[in-house]
Amino acid sequence: GAVVSQHPSWVICKSGTSVKIECRSLDFQATTMFWYRQFPKQSLMLMATSNEGSKATYEQGVEKDKFLINHASLTLSTLTVTSAHPEDSSFYICSARDFPGETQYFGPGTRLLVL
Amino acid sequence: DAKTTQPPSMDCAEGRAANLPCNHSTISGNEYVYWYRQIHSQGPQYIIHGLKNNETNEMASLIITEDRKSSTLILPHATLRDTAVYYCIVRVRGNTPLVFGKGTRLSVIA
Repeated sequence: GAVVSQHPSWVICKSGTSVKIECRSLDFQATTMFWYRQFPKQSLMLMATSNEGSKATYEQGVEKDKFLINHASLTLSTLTVTSAHPEDSSFYICSARDFPGETQYFGPGTRLLVL
Repeated sequence: DAKTTQPPSMDCAEGRAANLPCNHSTISGNEYVYWYRQIHSQGPQYIIHGLKNNETNEMASLIITEDRKSSTLILPHATLRDTAVYYCIVRVRGNTPLVFGKGTRLSVIA
């Protein structure tokens, strides 16, 4: 199957700093990428959908100024958590969809801990 | 909101078939049934999907009832590495994202 990578896999940062997470589709082009968040013992929650070259669409309750998403190419999307706070500590997972939209593939996830 | 109902947990003996049920009574004609699993602390892994015919691949088989209101994922010979949370999701192909419910936690026991 198609491979999606994320970097970094782990990040620890101080409160108030910004953190960037990269998501890459390694062997296919992804016109659409998705970002999810997962808290302990809970299911994945969709945060936003991003299409290459256009602005991301955020789910209700997700602050677009706090979670900046850039999808500048068909193989790369980035999520920047700005001014991170301890409550932003979570497992962030990206997903990319192949053409013509049949299957979503997921990255391994990035665990963020804000101190 | 998730449009599927799954039991919260199941156990299966190693080497036996694991049969995971899913109810999707409000599925519409153009919605596919997708199955993913998530092993602890990893991203979800695609398993299989189908529209109305039964499907089989190297990982599993998917049995969809004739009225499409329910389905069963079958892992033919479960191993300890199959211990994971299994998600059944219905989705229209195209630009709609996957929306995850609570899934079924499958524990394979030696």
